Amino acid sequence: KNQVEQSPQSLIILEGKNCTLQCNYTVSPFSNLRWYKQDTGRGPVSLTIMTFSENTKSNGRYTATLDADTKQSSLHITASQLSDSASYICVVTPSGTYKYIFGTGTRLKVLA
Amino acid sequence: GAGVSQSPSNKVTEKGKDVELRCDPISGHTALYWYRQSLGQGLEFLIYFQGNSAPDKSGLPSDRFSAERTGGSVSTLTIQRTQQEDSAVYLCASSRNYGYTFGSGTRLTVV
Repeated sequence: KNQVEQSPQSLIILEGKNCTLQCNYTVSPFSNLRWYKQDTGRGPVSLTIMTFSENTKSNGRYTATLDADTKQSSLHITASQLSDSASYICVVTPSGTYKYIFGTGTRLKVLA
Repeated sequence: GAGVSQSPSNKVTEKGKDVELRCDPISGHTALYWYRQSLGQGLEFLIYFQGNSAPDKSGLPSDRFSAERTGGSVSTLTIQRTQQEDSAVYLCASSRNYGYTFGSGTRLTVV
């Protein structure tokens, strides 16, 4: 079982709509949780980073939340754009390590 | 350079051949990582460099895989006697303190 699980695996929405992507993790303790956006054929790009003590972090139309009690994080995308079509990856760093544990991602497709 | 540069961006090779993948990290980034991303899979850790040394090679899938880093900068990932299951995107990332900056990856196809 993956230590970082994401849902849904894929999602299709219409341009302008909002969506929320989920990340459930079992990594504990952890030092931080990141959301990355990966365009097809490109490397992942960091969207947000939260330490274990933070509840929310925003980056433009992207807002990440973290509930350390339930070990869940979500990434909310507001007023989606065609350019939001990409894979979104949740990444958890266990405490005291340099290693990142990656989820398998959610593939988002935004249609005109 | 401004970002992490990987070359080649695409490589098609015959089964059994050796390949070399190159990563040029951001100047001053002491940490360098190699990851592999197979179709539909998450990112799989391969190896971590701090400077020129590799304190963690635990992710290398077999002894056909090796990597080196010289001058605390450029790194080369070598795959010997390639197999079809080696087909994947190989991503390099570098870091100075916090967070990674990823390269665009090398898409390797073994035919």
